[in-house]
This record gives sequence, C-alpha cells and structure tokens, in this order.
Amino acid sequence: EPEVTQTPSHQVTQMGQEVILRCVPISNHLYFYWYRQILGQKVEFLVSFYNNEISEKSEIFDDQFSVERPDGSNFTLKIRSTKLEDSAMYFCASRTRELNTEAFFGQGTRLTVV
Amino acid sequence: DQQVKQNSPSLSVQEGRISILNCDYTNSMFDYFLWYKKYPAEGPTFLISISSIKDKNEDGRFTVFLNKSAKHLSLHIVPSQPGDSAVYFCAASDGNKLVFGAGTILRVKS
Repeated sequence: EPEVTQTPSHQVTQMGQEVILRCVPISNHLYFYWYRQILGQKVEFLVSFYNNEISEKSEIFDDQFSVERPDGSNFTLKIRSTKLEDSAMYFCASRTRELNTEAFFGQGTRLTVV
Repeated sequence: DQQVKQNSPSLSVQEGRISILNCDYTNSMFDYFLWYKKYPAEGPTFLISISSIKDKNEDGRFTVFLNKSAKHLSLHIVPSQPGDSAVYFCAASDGNKLVFGAGTILRVKS
C-alpha cells in the first residue's frame, strides 16, 4: 500500500541551526501539507502546497519556515534558525486532487532543539 | 481559536461495550469531517469520514454521525476492542487543509 515516508525519524539540532525535514508523498497525490504536534498538544496545521506553490499557511509558519518540492518527488520543510520552541513532531501529509478525500500522514520526524 | 473541539481528554470503556467519542465544530464552512487514530510516535491514521451532505457513515465497527444543526459529530465503536486503545482525533476540512481537535485518549479494558 502506498505511504508517505519521512526522514529522518529523529533529528537533534542546536538552537540557531538550520534543519531540513524530508518527505516523499504518495506518488499520484497533488496536495501536500506539513503539520506539527508539540508534545501533549493538538496537531497543528503549518502549510499546504499545491501546484508548486504555497496555497495556505498558518500563523506558525513565519519567515523562519520554508517549503520546497525540489525534484517532483520530495517535499521538504526547512527551518532556518531553530528555536527551543520548534521542538515537536512534524508530520507530512498528502492527498489526491479530489475534494473530500482523506489526507495520508507520514510517521513523523521528531525534532529536538537543544 | 478552537474551531474543532474534543471536550473529553480521555475515555475508558470495557471490552465489548460501545465507545462514543464526541467532537464539536464552530466553522460553518467545514464540509467534510474525518476521524484519525494515532499511536505514540506514529502519524495519524485515517479511520472514517463523512461528508456534510450525510448524517451517518458506517464502516464495520465504526460509525460516524453528523448533526449539522448542532455542529456536532460523534464516532461510535462497537464492540470496542483492546486494540482500539489510542488517541482519536476529529478533523474538519475547509476544502484545503484539515483542522484537528485536541484528541481523546481511548482506553479499552479487557
């Protein structure tokens, strides 16, 4: 069964460093998302991406964040200068173009900023 | 801004009995609702969904009910099994993104 894959599963980084979280969405999907979940809290929307551009972003997704689909298969989230409060599980998701369909989530990357 | 609310942080039920998880939403623009199941250190897994034009959708042991006038949906699991123990997230779609509730921890005791 097709699945969304994320790498790495766990990333530890020093505060102020740049990190890139990687995702390979399901191959025929056209909508891509990043969500995050701070420990014990809700799953929060960060950004959606369609047709090679951001379609929507949340207040959390400030100038420190960027997304890219560099080669038609990978979908990356970059955090330019990490802060302690960026520590969270980051989930990538994708879905087809049809309306009213579920999004499929990856296993997540646990980001720990020290 | 809690557009999707799950007011019960946890629920404990006996194996074989019915589990009922509740969810309320505030945004009338939501037109598609989903339930996801999540285990620790894993991503959310899609469980069942319902379109706003329906009031019930059933898939095996899982049934989702939607009451649009009350902006309320619920997930019924019957019979509950120990393997159902997980965090259940209600989510609503605005046509693009999903907005999640805070989740309900379900514990099914054997």
